[in-house]
Amino acid sequence: QKEVEQDPGPLSVPEGAIVSLNCTYSNSAFQYFMWYRQYSRKGPELLMYTYSSGNKEDGRFTAQVDKSSKYISLFIRDSQPSDSATYLCAIQAASQGAQKLVFGQGTRLTINP
Amino acid sequence: DSGVTQTPKHLITATGQRVTLRCSPRSGDLSVYWYQQSLDQGLQFLIQYYNGEERAKGNILERFSAQQFPDLHSELNLSSLELGDSALYFCASSGIWDTQYFGPGTRLTVL
Repeated sequence: QKEVEQDPGPLSVPEGAIVSLNCTYSNSAFQYFMWYRQYSRKGPELLMYTYSSGNKEDGRFTAQVDKSSKYISLFIRDSQPSDSATYLCAIQAASQGAQKLVFGQGTRLTINP
Repeated sequence: DSGVTQTPKHLITATGQRVTLRCSPRSGDLSVYWYQQSLDQGLQFLIQYYNGEERAKGNILERFSAQQFPDLHSELNLSSLELGDSALYFCASSGIWDTQYFGPGTRLTVL
């Protein structure tokens, strides 16, 4: 079993729709949760970062963490064609300064005009 | 622009060869990380350096090695290259207990 599981999609939705992206993880030691966005052939770009259960909102993006279920989500409201990209969840266990990120497989998202 | 720079952008080489990838972290960041991204394996952590010292190691092959220099730039050396080493190689940097910011990557093609 992979440490982080993410449905690779692809996911295609119409412009303006609410998008829900999800990951599950297996290791309770994970403490920090991130979402990265990656456009084709580019480096991953940090979107959201959280370390506690609950919701964190930033503009049209909301990150949700449920540590009891080991489940994280990213919601995109009023989706735009420019949101078309691959979205990667990333989880980190902090240990003596070693900050290894474990990534999900990534979900390829297309927003259709 | 994340502030992390990587060179070269593209690299094409033959099996059995050796290459060096270079990374300059964001100003002030002491940690550098290397990741490999391939179609079948996704983004995989290779190794972390903090202020010149190795801090964490992932599934890095013995044919691969890295180092971080006193000016904090880092190099990833890949030797005895195989077709399966073709991938995107990303460098990221961070401050201590900080989030990681990724560079634009080096695309390696082994023929």
